[in-house]
Amino acid sequence: QVQLQESGPGLVKPSETLSLTCIVSGDSLTDHHWSWIRQPPGQGLEWVGYSSYRESTNYNPSLKSRVTVSLDTSRNQFYLKLTSVSPSDTAVYYCARSGSGSGMRWGQGILVTVSS
Amino acid sequence: QAVVTQEPSLTVSPGGTVTLTCASSTGPFTDNDWAYWFQQKPGQAPTTLIYDTTKKQSWTPARFSGSILGDKAALTLSGAQPEDEADYYCLVPYRGVFWMFGGGTKLTVL
Repeated sequence: QVQLQESGPGLVKPSETLSLTCIVSGDSLTDHHWSWIRQPPGQGLEWVGYSSYRESTNYNPSLKSRVTVSLDTSRNQFYLKLTSVSPSDTAVYYCARSGSGSGMRWGQGILVTVSS
Repeated sequence: QAVVTQEPSLTVSPGGTVTLTCASSTGPFTDNDWAYWFQQKPGQAPTTLIYDTTKKQSWTPARFSGSILGDKAALTLSGAQPEDEADYYCLVPYRGVFWMFGGGTKLTVL
């Protein structure tokens, strides 16, 4: 069965770029939607964006100018890049798989803190 | 941008029934829409309970069900257990391709 694991730095400086990787096992990136979702400490969930090999890539309009989600089918990984980060981008970032009638599977999440 | 509204908090007695709802500012929820429902316990990643409005994941307890209630998506818990105490979030689409989470409902079993 599919498993997702987030990886990347836990600390990013303000104005720099946050880069995360989601390592996927047990499924191919050529199917489904592959998403990033975040949760600031003590707050609710926020959709960041998703990419689909066969369809489109879409982003939260509030983040669109700063976010990129991309797929690497050869490595079975997908990525999040968020530029010009500020402390308000501090959150647990989750990767997830959804679509094709299979519901949604989540990674365990990774805490990213934006601080100098 | 759309706003998705959930009850901030609800309380249910053990063995009781409670319905959580999810309403979008973009208009009534219909059969043409889809909704996900997630459960999140403190310090844990969310887990998916319901997708495509009414479908259960293989691990979803039978006491949870999804539906459309009036113009809202709904999650009903019948026969609440102490382990159901958690935060619950809905996820719905808007403008066809964007997603939006509700603010979450804190469910207390007491």
